[in-house]
Amino acid sequence: QVQLVQSGAEVKRPGSSVRVSCKTSGGNFKKHGINWVRQAPGQGLEWMGYIIPMFETTNYAQNFQGRLTITADESSTTAYMELHGLRSEDTAVYYCAREHRTDKFVIFDYWGQGALVTVSS
Amino acid sequence: QPVVTQPPSSSASPGESARLTCTLPSDINVGDHNIYWYQQKPGSPPRYLLYFYSDSDKGQGSGVPSRFSGSKDASANTGILLISGVQSEDEAEYFCMIWPKNSWVFGGGTKLTVL
Repeated sequence: QVQLVQSGAEVKRPGSSVRVSCKTSGGNFKKHGINWVRQAPGQGLEWMGYIIPMFETTNYAQNFQGRLTITADESSTTAYMELHGLRSEDTAVYYCAREHRTDKFVIFDYWGQGALVTVSS
Repeated sequence: QPVVTQPPSSSASPGESARLTCTLPSDINVGDHNIYWYQQKPGSPPRYLLYFYSDSDKGQGSGVPSRFSGSKDASANTGILLISGVQSEDEAEYFCMIWPKNSWVFGGGTKLTVL
């Protein structure tokens, strides 16, 4: 059974950085991409970027270019999302989601439980 | 980043059908894209429901009831999630998602209230 377990809630100061981890189990870590999606309080979903561990390929949403780093550690089957230069608008729940990709579709079939990051002075 | 439009709210009584829409901007042709649908209940991560490209190219998520189905209205450049025979457990927020070019884009979400 596939599971994605994320690190806990964080409180950060404006201008600092946060790193959220996403430990996966029960699947082939290298084969499946890991996406990061965030949700500000009471708001919708915003895709941030992904990594495909097998190819060490990353793709970041334009809104986060230069501020976001997504990495993956195959030895621990854990993906990481690091966001720099935090501002109050970055307060959100951050989700990791495993993607299942075929030649016809790409779905986010398993999700982490979410990690609340609060940015406050 | 393109704006994908969903009505913020919708409602249906148990047993009725709910038709949730996802309208793409005019420069993105709905006929060229998979439309993915996710359901989210308060305090939980989203859950994949289904994707729809055409009647011959579509897919249902594991364990997703058959009362959830997808379609498109090309004339309105819109993807549609149809919930036939709404049940109280279907009360949730529903997000559509597309890959227009180099990134995933979510619609703003529709909160479905079961009356």
